[in-house]
Amino acid sequence: GAVVSQHPSWVICKSGTSVKIECRSLDFQATTMFWYRQFPKQSLMLMATSNEGSKATYEQGVEKDKFLINHASLTLSTLTVTSAHPEDSSFYICSARGGGGDSYEQYFGPGTRLTVT
Amino acid sequence: GQNIDQPTEMTATEGAIVQINCTYQTSGFNGLFWYQQHAGEAPTFLSYNVLDGLEEKGRFSSFLSRSKGYSYLLLKELQMKDSASYLCAVLDSNYQLIWGAGTKLIIKP
Repeated sequence: GAVVSQHPSWVICKSGTSVKIECRSLDFQATTMFWYRQFPKQSLMLMATSNEGSKATYEQGVEKDKFLINHASLTLSTLTVTSAHPEDSSFYICSARGGGGDSYEQYFGPGTRLTVT
Repeated sequence: GQNIDQPTEMTATEGAIVQINCTYQTSGFNGLFWYQQHAGEAPTFLSYNVLDGLEEKGRFSSFLSRSKGYSYLLLKELQMKDSASYLCAVLDSNYQLIWGAGTKLIIKP
């Protein structure tokens, strides 16, 4: 099956610093990648959708200058949380979707737990 | 607007059967997914329905009625490891996934 990895699995950073999270599709080409955020005991919240080689589409209320998304290749997307604050502490999950056939299934990475102190 | 409804929480007994319902109102429909999510982990794929009817996969089955905007996930022979959140998601006319809030399933011995 399709595998998506995320790195790091968890990260602790100080307030005001930036953190980069990588999302890779290991055995397929991901034409579209999605970034989600999930707070404890809450549902997934889509932050942005990115297609390879183009700018990401952000959901309403998500600051694009704070959450920088780059999808430079068909196997890699990165999310950079800039000037992180404690309220940015959350579980960040990426998912990837291939461009072939009728499959619109999203394959999820294992998630990255971010704690901002 | 787009809306997906599923119960917030359900409780069932080990070895029993439980049905988790999902109703949806979306702009277009290109299929419905069920995902399982254990606490602190990412969601994992369970099923995909695009045509009406029942799809059976081992202990899990998923049903879809497009005319009613309704789906359910049926879990049989419940095991303690089935305690998780179950997420219903609909692929809309733009092929974007619209997510329900999830149903937390608690299994008791």
